[in-house]
Amino acid sequence: QKEVEQNSGPLSVPEGAIASLNCTYSDRGSQSFFWYRQYSGKSPELIMSIYSNGDKEDGRFTAQLNKASQYVSLLIRDSQPSDSATYLCAVIAGYQKVTFGTGTKLQVIP
Amino acid sequence: DTAVSQTPKYLVTQMGNDKSIKCEQNLGHDTMYWYKQDSKKFLKIMFSYNNKELIINETVPNRFSPKSPDKAHLNLHINSLELGDSAVYFCASSPFSWTVSGNTIYFGEGSWLTVV
Repeated sequence: QKEVEQNSGPLSVPEGAIASLNCTYSDRGSQSFFWYRQYSGKSPELIMSIYSNGDKEDGRFTAQLNKASQYVSLLIRDSQPSDSATYLCAVIAGYQKVTFGTGTKLQVIP
Repeated sequence: DTAVSQTPKYLVTQMGNDKSIKCEQNLGHDTMYWYKQDSKKFLKIMFSYNNKELIINETVPNRFSPKSPDKAHLNLHINSLELGDSAVYFCASSPFSWTVSGNTIYFGEGSWLTVV
């Protein structure tokens, strides 16, 4: 079982719709969770971080964490073509060790 | 100024050669990393240094040797390059306690290594 799992996609949504990206992790001791966005040919950049159960909102982005289910998600409201990228879920399970998922490719169709 | 800079950005080399990738950060961070991203976009940690000391060394062939002359620099030397080493190598840095303090890990722009 992979430590951090994501559906590779592509996930296609029409412009203006809500994009829902999901991530599961295997280590119950994981404490910190992050979503990164990576445009093609570019480096990953942080979108959201979440540390406790529940929802965390930042503009059009909402991160959701459920530690009991070992599940973290990212919702993007009013999706724009500029949101088209690969979204990487990252989890801290041990000392300074960040484990990334394989990423979900999002395509927002104009 | 670029926060985390790495050179070269593109590198094409033949099998068996030895090459180095250099990385420098001007953020004052204590911790630096090397990540490898393969063709399937899987980003995997290779090494982590805190204030010049190695703290994470994942299962990486010993042909890969990191060197940190000071906490602002972390270079990666690769001996006897193989076809499977072709990937994008990202340098990154973070504050030491970034996972608790809510800081983030900052990535360099990546070095595209192609072994032919």
